[in-house]
Amino acid sequence: GESVGLHLPTLSVQEGDNSIINCAYSNSASDYFIWYKQESGKGPQFIIDIRSNMDKRQGQRVTVLLNKTVKHLSLQIAATQPGDSAVYFCAENNQGGKLIFGQGTELSVKP
Amino acid sequence: DAGVIQSPRHEVTEMGQEVTLRCKPISGHDYLFWYRQTMMRGLELLIYFNNNVPIDDSGMPEDRFSAKMPNASFSTLKIQPSEPRDSAVYFCASSLSLPLGHTEAFFGQGTRLTVV
Repeated sequence: GESVGLHLPTLSVQEGDNSIINCAYSNSASDYFIWYKQESGKGPQFIIDIRSNMDKRQGQRVTVLLNKTVKHLSLQIAATQPGDSAVYFCAENNQGGKLIFGQGTELSVKP
Repeated sequence: DAGVIQSPRHEVTEMGQEVTLRCKPISGHDYLFWYRQTMMRGLELLIYFNNNVPIDDSGMPEDRFSAKMPNASFSTLKIQPSEPRDSAVYFCASSLSLPLGHTEAFFGQGTRLTVV
């Protein structure tokens, strides 16, 4: 029979608000993490990365936080804009350079 | 550079037919990755190459799938025979080195494959 597809977690925010997207990773030995943004019909696009020897890294309007104790990663987007609407994936460098992607979270920005 | 280029963008084929997906990585990138994306399993790494040599193909689902990289500027992913469960978006990505540090992988636009 036909498989039923999973529904991505969805985060809906008002334009101008801050967004926080969370991700749990699996391997405590992972030493590098990346957040990707994927817009409809396009490939994933790099947003920001962080190494395991850091717990915070800031970019333009984005901040990534890493909590190795609980294997948790978050992406904060300041002053969210309609153009930020997309699916966001975290990826961990697992087993020597292979990027393993999380399930993804769909961000919807309401004008 | 135009980025990672994949072709075709869309492919519809009948079950049992051979399908060939193509990828041109970014010039100078030593690593090339093939990913498959479905709603059920998300983004899965199928295989990656370093300097045209396959390094890890543990993600290739079965013998019906094969990938080659005859030179630094071209790679193919072939499915023979294709089955409806192969329907997915297939992405190619390339990077300067392994993503062990500040080295991101750049993705192509993907090929949406539908097997009917």
